[in-house]
Amino acid sequence: NAGVTQTPKFQVLKTGQSMTLQCAQDMNHNSMYWYRQDPGMGLRLIYYSASEGTTDKGEVPNGYNVSRLNKREFSLRLESAAPSQTSVYFCASSLRTGTFVNTIYFGEGSWLTVV
Amino acid sequence: GQQLNQSPQSMFIQEGEDVSMNCTSSSIFNTWLWYKQEPGEGPVLLIALYKAGELTSNGRLTAQFGITRKDSFLNISASIPSDVGIYFCAGALIQGAQKLVFGQGTRLTINP
Repeated sequence: NAGVTQTPKFQVLKTGQSMTLQCAQDMNHNSMYWYRQDPGMGLRLIYYSASEGTTDKGEVPNGYNVSRLNKREFSLRLESAAPSQTSVYFCASSLRTGTFVNTIYFGEGSWLTVV
Repeated sequence: GQQLNQSPQSMFIQEGEDVSMNCTSSSIFNTWLWYKQEPGEGPVLLIALYKAGELTSNGRLTAQFGITRKDSFLNISASIPSDVGIYFCAGALIQGAQKLVFGQGTRLTINP
């Protein structure tokens, strides 16, 4: 029961470096998401992909890019990391339907520090 | 944009006590979700609510979807040490491709 798997778990970057966070889900879900979590601010949506082949901006997309590689995989890229991007990043997925807003399942998180 | 206010921000209780927390929104939601997050882990879904007025239980946890569709409540009865963690509410309006809005979280600490 892997669910949502994201890598790496921990990463330290220097300002200006680039990196990609990888995410994969094995639940055959249509929708995938990237959130960041900062102290006292809950979870904020960076980007989401409603279905394979589509991506949309969330609440805080600046400084990030995403790729929905296939139905299983959704990656998040930081092209030029900044200290303000120090955060915990969560990938998530959900099964989309036309009736109810489906529940979202989260990965275990990636701790990113930009120095 | 939509905002969720979750309260209290933190709670310090004795083992065995009941716990109550709530979320209020400036907008109407069609769905309310409650998550628990433990240190070093991602949020885990506890209860999902899809209808105004709905009352749903999951073991010692009970959550309600407010009749105005702008609030939700989570109660934990007879707390135990493993209830420690951060509890998040989340709401959504758009069906299908969803955009959940999260509360700031309630940090629960239990003294044995």
